[in-house]
Amino acid sequence: GAVVSQHPSRVICKSGTSVKIECRSLDFQATTMFWYRQFPKQSLMLMATSNEGSKATYEQGVEKDKFLINHASLTLSTLTVTSAHPEDSSFYICSASERSADTQYFGPGTRLTVL
Amino acid sequence: GESVGLHLPTLSVQEGDNSIINCAYSNSASDYFIWYKQESGKGPQFIIDIRSNMDKRQGQRVTVLLNKTVKHLSLQIAATQPGDSAVYFCAENTGFQKLVFGTGTRLLVSP
Repeated sequence: GAVVSQHPSRVICKSGTSVKIECRSLDFQATTMFWYRQFPKQSLMLMATSNEGSKATYEQGVEKDKFLINHASLTLSTLTVTSAHPEDSSFYICSASERSADTQYFGPGTRLTVL
Repeated sequence: GESVGLHLPTLSVQEGDNSIINCAYSNSASDYFIWYKQESGKGPQFIIDIRSNMDKRQGQRVTVLLNKTVKHLSLQIAATQPGDSAVYFCAENTGFQKLVFGTGTRLLVSP
């Protein structure tokens, strides 16, 4: 149980284009989903927290207009990197938790490379 | 700012040894702590967790110890195996389900 998937697992795009990453909870309802970014050999940094049906809460320094988050259902959240640039190249990881639960279950991550 | 940190960036052990990975946290109000294992190119995998009303919790081959007095957390892995090689992160729940991750320790297990 408690499986989280991400799609795509890898994506390469040209600078200036937008990329959408999907995060799905496969066997539970995720009232809260989290998006993290991880640069090579570094720790995970929380970007934003999203609750189903409401606007995401972004961490300080994360541009909400650049990283669009939608959590339209209890099993799906999407992260769209708009006008991507090489410095946005990173490993993006989502996690999901059930209502009032502390445990976060992580997806396998999406490797984004912007050329 | 608040942070969770680790003392050793890399830990090398021989197969069969016991491994101890340490973590210091700074938010005394945190009440929930988790250890994650991350293999290369993959997402973090839950290993074990502990709440602040406990000082020890055991799982299969793993034990987490929590010392709230000195704000220290450790992960003990018994009979370490090559498959345990990965980066281990401690994480601290600072409230509202937000996790702050430590810097990570790479565990290298030699056969």
